[in-house]
Amino acid sequence: AQTVTQSQPEMSVQEAETVTLSCTYDTSESDYYLFWYKQPPSRQMILVIRQEAYKQQNATENRFSVNFQKAAKSFSLKISDSQLGDAAMYFCAYTRVSGNTPLVFGKGTRLSVIA
Amino acid sequence: KAGVTQTPRYLIKTRGQQVTLSCSPISGHRSVSWYQQTPGQGLQFLFEYFSETQRNKGNFPGRFSGRQFSNSRSEMNVSTLELGDSALYLCASSLGTSVSTDTQYFGPGTRLTVL
Repeated sequence: AQTVTQSQPEMSVQEAETVTLSCTYDTSESDYYLFWYKQPPSRQMILVIRQEAYKQQNATENRFSVNFQKAAKSFSLKISDSQLGDAAMYFCAYTRVSGNTPLVFGKGTRLSVIA
Repeated sequence: KAGVTQTPRYLIKTRGQQVTLSCSPISGHRSVSWYQQTPGQGLQFLFEYFSETQRNKGNFPGRFSGRQFSNSRSEMNVSTLELGDSALYLCASSLGTSVSTDTQYFGPGTRLTVL
């Protein structure tokens, strides 16, 4: 079974600094998608970024970028120029391309942003 | 376009009772997925409904059930509540074409407390 591991339960970052959240996963599939979701204190979860395993270029969305290392099964999220609004739970998630299998989530990393 | 709505937002029940939670997806979305979120286990997939049919099911006991109506609204039911069922229940809607490429939009959740 596929598993997603986020080894950092909590992290903090100073406003305007850069922080990297770690995620590793286990799969025997060759094609799959990886995601980072953000859940602010208000609880409505939103998609931050998506990466397809076959694409070598790391995905970027404004201040959010990923470092995807397929061989190492690692998928980290880098947040640049951190803002107070970035404070949230961040979840890494996985799904394979074949079949409509549900997302598998990691347990999350709580990010605090210090003014 | 209105987002995903969930009702009620908060619920307090006692052990042995049953509960029904409701989720209204974004207009045009045909897939609704349900997740249980707890601090210890993170997000765990319950089930997914697509066009009134259960398409995927997670590893939860039969006390957890759901259904989807012709307008894509979905309900989940938990019978014989246990203390361990206390959690935030999230639903997510999507077009339903592909889990990997469709964006899942989450609702604010229903906070269930079992006493």
